Amino acid sequence: GQNIDQPTEMTATEGAIVQINCTYQTSGFNGLFWYQQHAGEAPTFLSYNVLDGLEEKGRFSSFLSRSKGYSYLLLKELQMKDSASYLCAIMDSNYQLIWGAGTKLIIKP
Amino acid sequence: GAVVSQHPSWVICKSGTSVKIECRSLDFQATTMFWYRQFPKQSLMLMATSNEGSKATYEQGVEKDKFLINHASLTLSTLTVTSAHPEDSSFYICSARIPGLAGGIQETQYFGPGTRLLVL
Repeated sequence: GQNIDQPTEMTATEGAIVQINCTYQTSGFNGLFWYQQHAGEAPTFLSYNVLDGLEEKGRFSSFLSRSKGYSYLLLKELQMKDSASYLCAIMDSNYQLIWGAGTKLIIKP
Repeated sequence: GAVVSQHPSWVICKSGTSVKIECRSLDFQATTMFWYRQFPKQSLMLMATSNEGSKATYEQGVEKDKFLINHASLTLSTLTVTSAHPEDSSFYICSARIPGLAGGIQETQYFGPGTRLLVL
């Protein structure tokens, strides 16, 4: 079967760092995506990893270990606007996205 | 980044009527578009994969006669909810795929802003 796990909810403080983990088991793998979704809006693309390692984009970084079926999204210098759901998705062998349930990130002042 | 638009953004209709939702890729050609549905506080659910010039591929449990998908051009896919009922009320989101190319374009999907459907 195919399974993607990520924490349901996390809380962090403005200005701090938070790491959102994603573990997966899928029958095919063509990359892992992280998306940000604010309430009531469509997801927006954050990152794509297909090779092992860390990809850094400004305040956001994403890490992938294919052998461990593990990824994380690292958010630095948290801002209040970062309060959103963060969705981990795997692209399978048919180039379709298999979605995790999302992690709701709450930022406190 | 690439832009995908959806029209309309909001639609309210009476039970039994049909509603058409358009998904357009504005600055790139998309041979593959995806249609998702998201109920409140739930994850995105893939409904179907739309390939330009061919029939859509529907996910298990999605009625193809109820959710008609047409991908007539490389920049436009439409989803028609036929004979809509209150249980079809949801947030419908399309995405357009940009395939990855070695040493060049990164594989990704760009999402439209979504269409909120309320069936009374």
